[in-house]
Amino acid sequence: KNQVEQSPQSLIILEGKNCTLQCNYTVSPFSNLRWYKQDTGRGPVSLTIMTFSENTKSNGRYTATLDADTKQSSLHITASQLSDSASYICVVITNAGKSTFGDGTTLTVKP
Amino acid sequence: DAGVIQSPRHEVTEMGQEVTLRCKPISGHNSLFWYRQTMMRGLELLIYFNNNVPIDDSGMPEDRFSAKMPNASFSTLKIQPSEPRDSAVYFCASRRARDPGYEQYFGPGTRLTVT
Repeated sequence: KNQVEQSPQSLIILEGKNCTLQCNYTVSPFSNLRWYKQDTGRGPVSLTIMTFSENTKSNGRYTATLDADTKQSSLHITASQLSDSASYICVVITNAGKSTFGDGTTLTVKP
Repeated sequence: DAGVIQSPRHEVTEMGQEVTLRCKPISGHNSLFWYRQTMMRGLELLIYFNNNVPIDDSGMPEDRFSAKMPNASFSTLKIQPSEPRDSAVYFCASRRARDPGYEQYFGPGTRLTVT
């Protein structure tokens, strides 16, 4: 069964600190992996996308990594800001365009 | 572009009533998705359409749920009769079927409360 597991479930950090969110998946055949950010009360918004051949992709202070061999991805947030408080959802997409969503990691950044 | 538009943003109704949620996808997008999100179960795909045709409705919980897409710019998700366990945030998303990255653009969601 295609699955996407994220950890931790929730995380609290102080403003300015870095953090790393994890995503493990069993989805196949793999096409690409996206990280979405979902602010409270809003729909998810795509942060990064990585295909099979990409190991790392950055979007400002967000850096995603992908190890297609071990089927693991991470999202690293550098110098966190209060506005980074949100849920971060890992989504793995197959060649047929079918998306499998993780349950998300809820990040709280405190001043 | 206004993005995906959903209405209403909030709906409070009594058990047994019919609820209709509405979605207008981004112009030019020919795939449309309905999701339900709860704290317990996260985001669940209910149904998706390609070119107005339902492709996969295996996520629709039961016969009380139905979805239609009469044209490329409008879709509805109906719950009849509604039950308290239907309380959730319902998202609509759209994408271009030929987008190699398969990015879905989500609407702001409809928060449904059934009392």
